[in-house]
Amino acid sequence: QKEVEQNSGPLSVPEGAIASLNCTYSDRGSQSFFWYRQYSGKSPELIMSIYSNGDKEDGRFTAQLNKASQYVSLLIRDSQPSDSATYLCAPARGRALTFGSGTRLQVQP
Amino acid sequence: DAEITQSPRHKITETGRQVTLACHQTWNHNNMFWYRQDLGHGLRLIHYSYGVQDTNKGEVSDGYSVSRSNTEDLPLTLESAASSQTSVYFCASSEGSVTYNEQFFGPGTRLTVL
Repeated sequence: QKEVEQNSGPLSVPEGAIASLNCTYSDRGSQSFFWYRQYSGKSPELIMSIYSNGDKEDGRFTAQLNKASQYVSLLIRDSQPSDSATYLCAPARGRALTFGSGTRLQVQP
Repeated sequence: DAEITQSPRHKITETGRQVTLACHQTWNHNNMFWYRQDLGHGLRLIHYSYGVQDTNKGEVSDGYSVSRSNTEDLPLTLESAASSQTSVYFCASSEGSVTYNEQFFGPGTRLTVL
């Protein structure tokens, strides 16, 4: 079992729809959780962080965390073609992050 | 503006040569990390440092070494480059806090070993 599991995709959604990206993790000691966006040929860019159970909203992005289920998700509302990228989930224990392999999102115009 | 830079951005070398990739950050972050990214494997941690003179092995450290002589720099050395080390290498840094530990990435170095 991988430490961080993400569906590799591609996840294809039409422009304006909600994209839902999911991630499960195995380390129950994980304390903080991050979502990174990575465009092809570019470096990962931090878009969301969440530290406690529940929802955290930032613009069109909402991160959801359920530590009991070891599950974290990212919702992107009003998806735009510019959101097309790979999204990496990264739980952290202390200062070290463990990255999933990412979900490729395609937003169709 | 504070930033993290990597050099070179692209490197082609031959098997058996020693190669050093540079990473420099101006955020004054205590923590620095080196990852490699390959198709199908995501980001894998090579080495990391939590401060000057501190270095630690990550998941895929064989064949790599790092040294930390100041806060700003963490160079990554491939002692004897192998074709299996062809990859994209990313450096990242984060502040010293255990609680707020977001990592910020450099632009990456694409290394090809022939």
